[in-house]
Amino acid sequence: AQKITQTQPGMFVQEKEAVTLDCTYDTSDPSYGLFWYKQPSSGEMIFLIYQGSYDQQNATEGRYSLNFQKARKSANLVISASQLGDSAMYFCAMREGPRGVNQGGKLIFGQGTELSVKP
Amino acid sequence: DGGITQSPKYLFRKEGQNVTLSCEQNLNHDAMYWYRQDPGQGLRLIYYSQIVNDFQKGDIAEGYSVSREKKESFPLTVTSAQKNPTAFYLCASSNFGGGVREAFFGQGTRLTVV
Repeated sequence: AQKITQTQPGMFVQEKEAVTLDCTYDTSDPSYGLFWYKQPSSGEMIFLIYQGSYDQQNATEGRYSLNFQKARKSANLVISASQLGDSAMYFCAMREGPRGVNQGGKLIFGQGTELSVKP
Repeated sequence: DGGITQSPKYLFRKEGQNVTLSCEQNLNHDAMYWYRQDPGQGLRLIYYSQIVNDFQKGDIAEGYSVSREKKESFPLTVTSAQKNPTAFYLCASSNFGGGVREAFFGQGTRLTVV
């Protein structure tokens, strides 16, 4: 069965340092996608980064990079040079498939990690 | 501008009443999703729909119902059978198979039972 696990309920990081948020997943589908979202206290969901199961290279988006280790079924988010505005909840998510054009696939989320950046 | 709209932002319901949360998107996405979020918790999937006139149960569908009569609309009804409906509800849409690499979210509806 499809499953996403985030084992760090809360993390602290000093401003300007790098931090890694852990995410492991489980699926039997060879085609899947992995996502990270940021949720500030306002509740909005902000997309950060995406990794497809067939992508050869780890995804990067500005200060965000995804450390994708397929054999270990892990998709950790690395935030470099943390900023005070990075304080928020971070969610890892996984989508199985799609199996056809414009097929959404089931999209599930982990429990989240609350990141606090200290000045 | 294209986007996904949830309404209302805040909703109060008396115990025993059904209530419907609206979700509309003009992104031409086939897939739409409903999630429930409790304080300090993750997003739990209630229902999802990959195409008009079809939908599947998620992990916590009991006490909820949905319809997908139009591509742009995916309303969620919280029925009186849902024992603890107070939560933050998020709607999302996407077209993953069409090369889109993210799900777009609405601003959420905060439901409180009084």
